[in-house]
Amino acid sequence: EVQLVESGGGLVQPGGSLRLSCAASGFTFSSYWMSWVRQAPGKGLEWVANIKQDGSEKYYVDSVKGRFTISRDNAKNSLYLQMNSLRAEDTAVYYCARGGAGYSSGWCNYWGQGTLVTVSS
Amino acid sequence: QPVLTQSSSASASLGSSVKLTCTLSSGHSSYIIAWHQQQPGKAPRYLMKLEGSGSYNKGSGVPDRFSGSSSGADRYLTISNLQSEDEADYYCETWDSNTQVFGGGTKLTVL
Repeated sequence: EVQLVESGGGLVQPGGSLRLSCAASGFTFSSYWMSWVRQAPGKGLEWVANIKQDGSEKYYVDSVKGRFTISRDNAKNSLYLQMNSLRAEDTAVYYCARGGAGYSSGWCNYWGQGTLVTVSS
Repeated sequence: QPVLTQSSSASASLGSSVKLTCTLSSGHSSYIIAWHQQQPGKAPRYLMKLEGSGSYNKGSGVPDRFSGSSSGADRYLTISNLQSEDEADYYCETWDSNTQVFGGGTKLTVL
């Protein structure tokens, strides 16, 4: 059974940093693209970033470029999101999602339960 | 970059059928999309992948009541024999050059 478990969310002040983690199990982690998707309170889903199977390619939504860094450790079956210079508008539930197994990122086909990030003073 | 347009809300009666629409922007009418369901207070759930031909592949455990179809730039999600648990937000998703995008979502109310 595919499982994705996020952790690391919490309350952080504007300008602060936070590192999210996603522990994956039930599939060959190193064979899949992985993504972070967020959802601000009362809003829709917003794709944040994704990373290729071997970590060689990473893509970001414009609003987080230069502030967020996606990474993965295939030996630990883990996905990460380092978030720096956090802003109030980054407040959201952050979901880890599995993508495609091929050359392109594809779509999210499994989702974690999410972790809440609140940016507030 | 493709843009996905969804109606903000829809409603249908218990036991009836409803067809939700996701429209791809100009120049992207051949794109594959995915449909996701998000019940209140829960994480999203992948429902299916849907091609421009109308061919679709559902995720694990998705009931037979859920089906997909396509016409031009429109991608449809049809839910038959509506149940109370189908009351949820439904999102479509696509990607281009490894950047992903979601539609704004449709809130489905089961009357």
